[in-house]
Amino acid sequence: QVQLVESGGGVVQPGRSLRLSCAASGFTFRNHAMYWVRQAPGKGLEWVAVISSDGSKKYYADSVTGRLTISRDNSKNTLYLQINSLRADDTAVYHCAKGGGGVISSVDYWGQGTLVTVSS
Amino acid sequence: DIQMTQSPSSLSASVGDRVTITCRASQGISSWLAWYQQKPEKAPKSLIYAASTLHSGVPSRFSANGSGTDFTLTISSLQPEDFATYYCQQYNNYPLTFGPGTKVDIK
Repeated sequence: QVQLVESGGGVVQPGRSLRLSCAASGFTFRNHAMYWVRQAPGKGLEWVAVISSDGSKKYYADSVTGRLTISRDNSKNTLYLQINSLRADDTAVYHCAKGGGGVISSVDYWGQGTLVTVSS
Repeated sequence: DIQMTQSPSSLSASVGDRVTITCRASQGISSWLAWYQQKPEKAPKSLIYAASTLHSGVPSRFSANGSGTDFTLTISSLQPEDFATYYCQQYNNYPLTFGPGTKVDIK
């Protein structure tokens, strides 16, 4: 079965950097676009970034462009999200998610998420 | 960017009720719409893609339709496990955008 397990979250001071990881299993990772979606405490879902199956195409939400970098290692079945210059409004649960297929797709599976708290 | 709205923002219903949630896109998105269910402290679960296609394992009491700008999600007979927040999302183009959510709770 599909499993997506995020790690790397924690409490971080404003201005610092963090790298989140998502270990994928149960499907052919290299064949699927992958997403990061975040959810601030008590708020709705916010799409953050997507990377194509081969890593050649990346798109970001306007709110994070320039500070976040999505990447993947298909040899390790792992997705990453580098967050720089962390701000208080980056505090959220970050979910890794699998694309259903196609150039642009909905999500078909979600990870449980990893909590990032930005606080001094 | 395409803005997604949902109505109502919340509703109270009883087990067995028929419930309908509406989602509207600020511009046409063909059928590139998904619905997700999220329970408190849990990851979202994918219910519907392509506006009306149920993901594998989703109970048949869930149905959805629409195209262009107006979409609906219907639960034909609400079950205890259906009390949750429901989000629509467009994937017609980037940036992908979600609706604000509709919370369904127990009357």
